[in-house]
Amino acid sequence: SQTIHQWPATLVQPVGSPLSLECTVEGTSNPNLYWYRQAAGRGLQLLFYSVGIGQISSEVPQNLSASRPQDRQFILSSKKLLLSDSGFYLCAWSPPPGGRRYEQYFGPGTRLTVT
Amino acid sequence: QKEVEQDPGPLSVPEGAIVSLNCTYSNSAFQYFMWYRQYSRKGPELLMYTYSSGNKEDGRFTAQVDKSSKYISLFIRDSQPSDSATYLCAMSAGNAGGTSYGKLTFGQGTILTVHP
Repeated sequence: SQTIHQWPATLVQPVGSPLSLECTVEGTSNPNLYWYRQAAGRGLQLLFYSVGIGQISSEVPQNLSASRPQDRQFILSSKKLLLSDSGFYLCAWSPPPGGRRYEQYFGPGTRLTVT
Repeated sequence: QKEVEQDPGPLSVPEGAIVSLNCTYSNSAFQYFMWYRQYSRKGPELLMYTYSSGNKEDGRFTAQVDKSSKYISLFIRDSQPSDSATYLCAMSAGNAGGTSYGKLTFGQGTILTVHP
């Protein structure tokens, strides 16, 4: 079965500090990977998606970036955090073409507080 | 106007009640419909997946899609306190949306509380 991991689970960072959140998926190959942010009382905002190693697409302009150094690893980064970056960050995966790729499966999330 | 509208609630029901959760949408290209359950401070969990119009049943859960009305529903029978969570609808146009990765558009989520 497939499993998705995220770490850290909770993070408190000062404004202007760097950020690195990691996501890994087990039990599947060539998944599509996604980063979402969920602000309190709001829905999920898609930040980045990736259909393969090194292939990153951004949905929303911001001071965040994403990388996919390995097939099942997805990293969300920032060089300088803003207060507005606080939120609940969720990584998700979906099967590659040929599978039911419109289903997305989410990780446990990272709660980021920028102070 | 948002592409997907979902009443945020909160919705409070007694244990054993039938719960009806709904979303409306404006994009007629949507053809894949999902319901997620999200417990507090956890990631969303996929509950139901439906393609096109019709009904799908899984245990106490029934998903309905009415594409002519652009309206989807999730029914929970014999609701339990463990069903207390936020329920998110999500939709995708699939390849018709011009992407190969299946972008999902989410509703805001409905907060449900089932009290004993």
